[in-house]
Amino acid sequence: GAVVSQHPSRVICKSGTSVKIECRSLDFQATTMFWYRQFPKQSLMLMATSNEGSKATYEQGVEKDKFLINHASLTLSTLTVTSAHPEDSSFYICSATSAPGYTFGSGTRLTVV
Amino acid sequence: DAKTTQPTSMDCAEGRAANLPCNHSTISGNEYVYWYRQIHSQGPQYIIHGLKNNETNEMASLIITEDRKSSTLILPHATLRDTAVYYCIVRGVSAGGTSYGKLTFGQGTILTVHP
Repeated sequence: GAVVSQHPSRVICKSGTSVKIECRSLDFQATTMFWYRQFPKQSLMLMATSNEGSKATYEQGVEKDKFLINHASLTLSTLTVTSAHPEDSSFYICSATSAPGYTFGSGTRLTVV
Repeated sequence: DAKTTQPTSMDCAEGRAANLPCNHSTISGNEYVYWYRQIHSQGPQYIIHGLKNNETNEMASLIITEDRKSSTLILPHATLRDTAVYYCIVRGVSAGGTSYGKLTFGQGTILTVHP
């Protein structure tokens, strides 16, 4: 089946620094990828839709200048959390459209100290 | 997308069938019912999906009512590893069979399988 590889699985960074999270489709091409954020004991909240070769579409309330998304190829999308603050600490998950259902990465646990 | 309603939590004994209900009374004719689950600190995992006929795969069975306003996910022999949050999502599908558009997650059902 389709596999989406997400790295890193865990990252700790200092407040004010930037962190990049990678999401790769390993055996299929993903024209569209999605980025979610999940706080403890809450459901997944969609942050943005990433389209290969074009600008990402952000959900209402998500700061596009803080959460930079790049989808430069059909197999790679990246999310960069810029000037991270403790409130950005969360579980970030990517997914890609695939048959029969969407395939999700394993998630990245970001802790900002 | 049609909104779904699921119970907040359910318990099941190991080895027994787990039946997880989902209401989607506003589903439209071209929308499929998808089920995903999320084990703690992992990404969601696709389980099964269906349009109007009952479906079965190696993981589960999906029973959709004739009016399509509700469905039930059945794990025939639950194990401790099936403890997870189960999400029922309604979404359209492209003509090629590949999902399209964004998935919107509700709160899901926390299924706890106990010995």
